[in-house]
Amino acid sequence: QQQVKQSPQSLIVQKGGISIINCAYENTAFDYFPWYQQFPGKGPALLIAIRPDVSEKKEGRFTISFNKSAKQFSLHIMDSQPGDSATYFCAASKGSARQLTFGSGTQLTVLP
Amino acid sequence: DAGVIQSPRHEVTEMGQEVTLRCKPISGHDYLFWYRQTMMRGLELLIYFNNNVPIDDSGMPEDRFSAKMPNASFSTLKIQPSEPRDSAVYFCASSSGTGPAFFGQGTRLTVV
Repeated sequence: QQQVKQSPQSLIVQKGGISIINCAYENTAFDYFPWYQQFPGKGPALLIAIRPDVSEKKEGRFTISFNKSAKQFSLHIMDSQPGDSATYFCAASKGSARQLTFGSGTQLTVLP
Repeated sequence: DAGVIQSPRHEVTEMGQEVTLRCKPISGHDYLFWYRQTMMRGLELLIYFNNNVPIDDSGMPEDRFSAKMPNASFSTLKIQPSEPRDSAVYFCASSSGTGPAFFGQGTRLTVV
């Protein structure tokens, strides 16, 4: 049962462009939506997170847009850089514990 | 703090052998999670602890898998007997209250 669906599976963007990754969830009890970045051979690292009481959160070049009615959220990477090339995972959790249900991941490649 | 520390980083074992993966969470964190990452299934939660007590082990695939947390600074994930399909990267993560989860570097397990 895939509770968090992520797309696209892979994404190629030119340096300076905007990278957009989308996720949709099914469980309306989810109340915390983080994005993780993973480089090869490393563990996932928290990038940015949002709660459903706000529609947008921005941290530097990274923005989460959240649409509660559509049960969708997305990550926008502005001015994408080659160093952003990594795999990005959306996730969701509910309640006080941070047990995460992950999307399937998006492999982002930013061309120089 | 050094972050979540996992050992070993790589483990190669023969089918049928016992494998023990180790994790030291971030000091002060009261939640500890074990995840498994494979190409086929992505990142999936196996089990999590709160204050050293197992809360949800519904993600543990079989009785061959067991996890313990004897104290706040140490946890183990044991597979006995191991099978080739257990080959994956196993991550440990920890969090404090409703704070974000921080992941270790992972243990890459290969069962031949």
